[in-house]
Amino acid sequence: QSALTQPASVSGSPGQSITISCTGTSSDVGGYNYVSWYQQHPGKAPKLMIYEVSNRPSGVSNRFSGSKSGNTASLTISGLQAEDEADYYCSSYTSSSTHVVFGGGTKLTVL
Amino acid sequence: EVQLVESGGVVVQPGGSLRLSCAASGFTFDDYAMHWVRQAPGKGLEWVSLISWDGGSTYYADSVKGRFTISRDNSKNSLYLQMNSLRAEDTALYYCAKDGAGGDYYFDYWGQGTLVTVSS
Repeated sequence: QSALTQPASVSGSPGQSITISCTGTSSDVGGYNYVSWYQQHPGKAPKLMIYEVSNRPSGVSNRFSGSKSGNTASLTISGLQAEDEADYYCSSYTSSSTHVVFGGGTKLTVL
Repeated sequence: EVQLVESGGVVVQPGGSLRLSCAASGFTFDDYAMHWVRQAPGKGLEWVSLISWDGGSTYYADSVKGRFTISRDNSKNSLYLQMNSLRAEDTALYYCAKDGAGGDYYFDYWGQGTLVTVSS
């Protein structure tokens, strides 16, 4: 069982917006602004999409945005495109001895 | 261009040992902490270990604590993971990942991974 909880799957049609949630505790997501999001296409390495809750690395489309409320972080993808179909993972710093935790991942299907 | 190239993944018997390596280039290696992250076949990402820029601090997932040792050689721009007492559940693709900034615990560059299979 992953430390952070994500929905197993979400779907949307091209052009729509979707949101993926990532729920933790006050020891991780809720306690620190160190939430990041990763996109992973089949057979590929993960790619950083959002860091420190809402910052986008250079080169990442502004259709991707991040936010946090309490113990839940969210990744929103607007103007959904076929190439957005992938697995998405959240990650957070945690004050436990392990330091870093991931969510179980969410499979995004573009209908 | 940042490059991370992992090597050392093989098929190993339960109880065996293995050392993974990660060759880094395209950035000032000794300015950044480094991580190992793994992914079992068909499963999600699992953080494994973290080492500070100077090797002075190391951290491990509970699942590998006491069995795995992370290290680095800044003179060779290389990261390592010594894996002992391997179990079937350690079977995974092991990624080397660069920390994004000083202590912010995100991974801005990843290698392509090296596959470790623990099987008799």
